[in-house]
Amino acid sequence: AQKITQTQPGMFVQEKEAVTLDCTYDTSDQSYGLFWYKQPSSGEMIFLIYQGSYDEQNATEGRYSLNFQKARKSANLVISASQLGDSAMYFCAMTAAGNKLTFGGGTRVLVKP
Amino acid sequence: EAGVAQSPRYKIIEKRQSVAFWCNPISGHATLYWYQQILGQGPKLLIQFQNNGVVDDSQLPKDRFSAERLKGVDSTLKIQPAKLEDSAVYLCASSLTTRNTEAFFGQGTRLTVV
Repeated sequence: AQKITQTQPGMFVQEKEAVTLDCTYDTSDQSYGLFWYKQPSSGEMIFLIYQGSYDEQNATEGRYSLNFQKARKSANLVISASQLGDSAMYFCAMTAAGNKLTFGGGTRVLVKP
Repeated sequence: EAGVAQSPRYKIIEKRQSVAFWCNPISGHATLYWYQQILGQGPKLLIQFQNNGVVDDSQLPKDRFSAERLKGVDSTLKIQPAKLEDSAVYLCASSLTTRNTEAFFGQGTRLTVV
């Protein structure tokens, strides 16, 4: 079975500062994928970034980067230069055997001006 | 490229009534997911299809929930009879067959059971 844990229910961050969202995972599969999604108050689920278990480099997409520490089974999301529009729920997710996509409980981020 | 389409967007029903949701995935996407997202929580997988076959339905309350994906394209999710605790957003998502590709989500159906 696969499991995703996000221990931070909510966070405040000052505009233009960086914020790190924690995510730990558990799976017995050697091949898996890790994802981060953003869900604004409007409700849509927006894909942000992907990290494969065999990828040697940390994934980056614009202001988003994924700090992948395989031995610790963590996949933290770093958002640099926070903007007011970054205020949303953020979900960590993973796929493993059978391509089942499992989500964590989410972290709410509120960017302060 | 058209996204994942879901309907209706909103539905209010009384408990013990039945309701159905519809999803049209992105063309060519073999994998289709239905999730239940209760307010303030992460999405919970209800059922996963690969083409028209069920891959995982371990968390689907089969006494009241059912889902089908005819011809491996569109899918419907039905609740009969509904309970108050079924109030949630029901999200449909699709992805390519290849493992570890991102899933694309529809806008969801917000169900309120009164």
